[in-house]
Amino acid sequence: GEDVEQSLFLSVREGDSSVINCTYTDSSSTYLYWYKQEPGAGLQLLTYIFSNMDMKQDQRLTVLLNKKDKHLSLRIADTQTGDSAIYFCAESIGGGADGLTFGKGTHLIIQP
Amino acid sequence: DAGVIQSPRHEVTEMGQEVTLRCKPISGHDYLFWYRQTMMRGLELLIYFNNNVPIDDSGMPEDRFSAKMPNASFSTLKIQPSEPRDSAVYFCASSLVQGTGHSYNEQFFGPGTRLTVL
Repeated sequence: GEDVEQSLFLSVREGDSSVINCTYTDSSSTYLYWYKQEPGAGLQLLTYIFSNMDMKQDQRLTVLLNKKDKHLSLRIADTQTGDSAIYFCAESIGGGADGLTFGKGTHLIIQP
Repeated sequence: DAGVIQSPRHEVTEMGQEVTLRCKPISGHDYLFWYRQTMMRGLELLIYFNNNVPIDDSGMPEDRFSAKMPNASFSTLKIQPSEPRDSAVYFCASSLVQGTGHSYNEQFFGPGTRLTVL
């Protein structure tokens, strides 16, 4: 079945880059996503990448996709205290017309 | 737009009681999703609808769970009878796909309902 794996915690110093990694098993995944969840809040889409791309950049965010290894990463440049949150990797086949399969989330902890 | 609206935001009930969670999707959206978030299992898709019709309910854990979408602006998720292991945060999400001309369309999440079953 489908599975999305990511490490549970990542600690970085303020101002450094954060790299959050994710692996998935479903080779038919068409869209891969990064969502952010702040305490007590819902999920906010940060960015997504289509499976025929290998990189996408959006301001401080860089997404890398290695489709051969089924590996997705999110790099946050110049990490700030406001980036402290849980980051979820997710995949789907049908975009908005399909349910998302999520990883368990990575808690990003920012050290001053 | 107010976004996806869920009510109540918090619900505390006793085991055996019926619980009804409500969701109002973003106006005009044609897909609606229900997810559940727990510490042990993370975020799981329970069921989703297209134009008010259930498409995939394979994630609904048991017959105690049921979901309806009587019209385009309202959906309910009901648990009867509730059990302590149903304690979780339940999220509703919606998206607009039809007529947009492209296959990617963002799912917008509501703030969630935190359910505690004692």
